[in-house]
Order: sequence, then C-alpha cells, then structure tokens
Amino acid sequence: EDKVVQSPLSLVVHEGDTVTLNCSYEVTNFRSLLWYKQEKKAPTFLFMLTSSGIEKKSGRLSSILDKKELFSILNITATQTGDSAVYLCAVETGTASKLTFGTGTRLQVTL
Amino acid sequence: SAVISQKPSRDICQRGTSLTIQCQVDSQVTMMFWYRQQPGQSLTLIATANQGSEATYESGFVIDKFPISRPNLTFSTLTVSNMSPEDSSIYLCSVPGQGYEQYFGPGTRLTVT
Repeated sequence: EDKVVQSPLSLVVHEGDTVTLNCSYEVTNFRSLLWYKQEKKAPTFLFMLTSSGIEKKSGRLSSILDKKELFSILNITATQTGDSAVYLCAVETGTASKLTFGTGTRLQVTL
Repeated sequence: SAVISQKPSRDICQRGTSLTIQCQVDSQVTMMFWYRQQPGQSLTLIATANQGSEATYESGFVIDKFPISRPNLTFSTLTVSNMSPEDSSIYLCSVPGQGYEQYFGPGTRLTVT
C-alpha cells in the first residue's frame, strides 16, 4: 500500500521565521511529488518535483526532492501570517495520475 | 491552469437522502478525479472519471454509494447516495494540468445530520 508521511503534524512560528516541512514516501511506480497549500477547502498547487536534487523555487517558497532517500522538503523563508495554512504533500503513481496524500502539516504564523 | 467550478459550495442534508455534486471545467480534459476529505483528515481519491467509459473506483469506494457521470470532456457529477453522518466531508474534483500536476475545484462541504 502506498504511504506518504508528513512531519511535523503542526507548527507554530513567529512572523519572519524560516520553516522546513518534511515529506517521506513509500510507493510503487513513483512518477512525481507535489506540494499543495490548503487554506479553506481547495488545495492550491505549489510545486511538482520529478528529479532528485533540482530545487524548485517560487518567491519565499522552495522545495527539493531526494529520490534515493524517498523524501522531499518544503522551505518557507521570512514567513508571513498569510502563510498560515495546511501544507499537503502528494505522490503521483502509476499511469493514471493517481495522487496519494499525506496527512498534512498545519502551519500557524503568529505576529 | 484550468478554471474549475463546483456546485453546490456547501449543503446540509438529512441521512438517507442523496446529493449530486457538479464539477465544470473551462477546457476539455480526458480525466477528472473525485476526492473526499473527512474532517481532520487528508484527501482520499474516490474515483477517476473518464469520458465515455465507466469510472474507476479506489478500494473502499463503490459505484452504488458514489455513482459518477461523465457526459462530456468538461463536466462530471458525483452523487453521494443514502447518506449517513460519516459522509460529512469536503468533496473535491480535480483535473490534470499540462505538466500532469493536478488542479482542484473549490470543493463542496457536505454536512449530514
């Protein structure tokens, strides 16, 4: 059975801090790893990673994948209160674009 | 990325009734996906809806409980049948983007009393 594990489950930081969110996986037929931000109902796409060691970056957010050790990290620098959300990691497997999600990390950024 | 809309946005239903959720995309897509997110849980794939063929259901989900229609390449419906309080969840449809990343609709929050 495919498995995606995220840590920590929740995190409270002060505005301006840097955070690192972790995602490890055990799946068959890996295709890609995706990060999403969920504030209310709909997850918003952040990154898709397919190759090891290549950092994806968007503003203060960045992510990298290690396919040998089967994990990914999502970094957020200079956090802002608007970064408060649940961050979801998902792994795409097989030929039918099936996504298996982790349980998410709930990030709260305080003033 | 595709623009996805869902109806209804939220609903409160009585147990034993059924609710049909609609998902509309602004472009033609081969595959559409339906997910469920129970309170405090992560997203779980219910089924993959392909136009012109039967939906493919994941383990633990059956067609009698979650019938799906896919009449064309821009539209799909998911029905939650004979509802119980355990069906209270957010239901989300998604479609693949050009790079095979998936984009999600705004979701339907269902409460069953």
